[in-house]
Amino acid sequence: DTGVSQDPRHKITKRGQNVTFRCDPISEHNRLYWYRQTLGQGPEFLTYFQNEAQLEKSRLLSDRFSAERPKGSFSTLEIQRTEQGDSAMYLCASSLRSSGLIYGYTFGSGTRLTVV
Amino acid sequence: DQQVKQNSPSLSVQEGRISILNCDYTNSMFDYFLWYKKYPAEGPTFLISISSIKDKNEDGRFTVFLNKSAKHLSLHIVPSQPGDSAVYFCAASGSGANNLFFGTGTRLTVIP
Repeated sequence: DTGVSQDPRHKITKRGQNVTFRCDPISEHNRLYWYRQTLGQGPEFLTYFQNEAQLEKSRLLSDRFSAERPKGSFSTLEIQRTEQGDSAMYLCASSLRSSGLIYGYTFGSGTRLTVV
Repeated sequence: DQQVKQNSPSLSVQEGRISILNCDYTNSMFDYFLWYKKYPAEGPTFLISISSIKDKNEDGRFTVFLNKSAKHLSLHIVPSQPGDSAVYFCAASGSGANNLFFGTGTRLTVIP
């Protein structure tokens, strides 16, 4: 297992288009998180899954955003009708439920979205 | 409202000297505190954590100190090495919470 993988690494899209990102977590991790990071800021929580259940969503996650984790494995984050304000680095992380706050989440390298 | 604050955007230190990165928080419900390091074009990498029942945790060259009464923590790196040059993020969470709150980061530059 090589860690958390995110695809694509970069995405440029026109305003109004839909985009979808994929995250493959560490296989034995049952928790998966999505964060967003904009320039000069730290990562901001968007949502998290325990297995296939989406248990919490941030108020940052507008109704244009949807995330899924079918079968509790990989996850997708879709943004519909993209806006320029959606331009950011989208980070995925995973952890074991019992140890995430002690041993940290493992982050992927992120997907950088640019909306033009 | 920023619950975790890193007020120094950047820090430069000579190789071999101590680097001290600071972090303040406002939420008294936070029980766990973590430091992450981030290189360009990579995701944050976990460094070290501390729970609120401790005031110090050490791992090799990295030591985190927690002052609960002041709602302040610091990361000490000694001796600093050029490979430590990165952006360091402080993060915090409550024990029953499901997400981390991050600071805005401090860019550390270790000068050879």
